[in-house]
Amino acid sequence: GENVEQHPSTLSVQEGDSAVIKCTYSDSASNYFPWYKQELGKRPQLIIDIRSNVGEKKDQRIAVTLNKTAKHFSLHITETQPEDSAVYFCAANSGGSNYKLTFGKGTLLTVNP
Amino acid sequence: GAGVSQSPSNKVTEKGKDVELRCDPISGHTALYWYRQRLGQGLEFLIYFQGNSAPDKSGLPSDRFSAERTGESVSTLTIQRTQQEDSAVYLCASKRTSGAETQYFGPGTRLLVL
Repeated sequence: GENVEQHPSTLSVQEGDSAVIKCTYSDSASNYFPWYKQELGKRPQLIIDIRSNVGEKKDQRIAVTLNKTAKHFSLHITETQPEDSAVYFCAANSGGSNYKLTFGKGTLLTVNP
Repeated sequence: GAGVSQSPSNKVTEKGKDVELRCDPISGHTALYWYRQRLGQGLEFLIYFQGNSAPDKSGLPSDRFSAERTGESVSTLTIQRTQQEDSAVYLCASKRTSGAETQYFGPGTRLLVL
């Protein structure tokens, strides 16, 4: 089955700096890679996703890059703000499934004012 | 509109007791998931329902775990003879169709087994 590794497990940055979170996956059939943000005590929410037919996608301060050859994808947050502080989860669809996601263990991002 | 709701929000039970957790998906969403999230861990897939198709139960950790869903409405996750290692947050998510991508999560039920 799919295995998703996520690094780092914790990340602390100063407000205004950039943050990068990296994930690797094992299943070459995976073609959908979402990122979820979970604030403390809240439910996970989708913030951005990417399909394997593109290498990069941006949405304001958030971008995701995908390297299919190396089987890794990354989340980039620029000009970080304290409200970006949360746990971020990457995921990949298992075996190219249209419904089953395998999640990474999460990255706790802290943005210090 | 209303999002995914779950009840109870918190549940404390004694080892060996049965518990039932409830999920109300977004109206009209045909697909529904249950996940388990242990402290400091990622989301662990438990079960997936899609319409009237047979559910994907491949993530259920043991035969003490079961889930039901009637049509496209409410789902219940039942854990029999609870163990301390069952302590976790149980999250439900729904999405519009089998092909849709965005899963919408509920607030979770925090289960503590003493």
